[in-house]
Amino acid sequence: DIQMTQSPSSLSASVGDRVTISCRASQNINTYLNWYQQKPGEAPKLLISAAFSLHSGVPSRFSGSGSGTDFTLTISGLQPEDFATYYCQQSDSTPTFGQGTRLEIK
Amino acid sequence: QVQLVQSGAEVKKPGASVRVSCKASGYTLTNYYMHWLRQAPGQGPEWMGWINPNSGDTNYAQKFQDRVTMTRDTSISTFYMDLSRLTSDDTALYFCARETGHVGYEYWGQGTLVTVSS
Repeated sequence: DIQMTQSPSSLSASVGDRVTISCRASQNINTYLNWYQQKPGEAPKLLISAAFSLHSGVPSRFSGSGSGTDFTLTISGLQPEDFATYYCQQSDSTPTFGQGTRLEIK
Repeated sequence: QVQLVQSGAEVKKPGASVRVSCKASGYTLTNYYMHWLRQAPGQGPEWMGWINPNSGDTNYAQKFQDRVTMTRDTSISTFYMDLSRLTSDDTALYFCARETGHVGYEYWGQGTLVTVSS
């Protein structure tokens, strides 16, 4: 299976900050990379699909980039509701997820 | 609107089996595969497999190949995931989720907590 590695595993930031989360695949996945946000007790919520396509209803402060093995999720202008855990997931082959990045309030 | 509603929490003893159900509504059932995933405490989601609602064909993750069975009853728009020979490592939140092609899991059930404890 393709391994997905996220960094950092946790991150402290303030409202209004710009943050980036990285995700690396163990082999080339083209742009078959999706990003999710998850809050405690809830199912993951799809934010970005195919590396950079914003899912319907997701605020434009979220953006994704990358291809091949290296990908980035950027949140520009953090809002209070953005403090959550973020996961990347590859859909090139048998689906696998990263271990998550917990975004906390500084 | 699309909704996936799962059955309630379960507590099982080691060695037992569990069935989790997922009732789908708001879309044409036969147009989308249904996937099952689980999430252990503090970890990322883990894919378990999918079922084709048309044919009933399944594809399971190798890890669960000999312990999981996914079925569906199209007459009541409900999917089932059976997991046998439970151990404490199977304690997790189990989700059904609908995928659209390669573009990720757009819709998720609310999750079903399965606790395995003696």
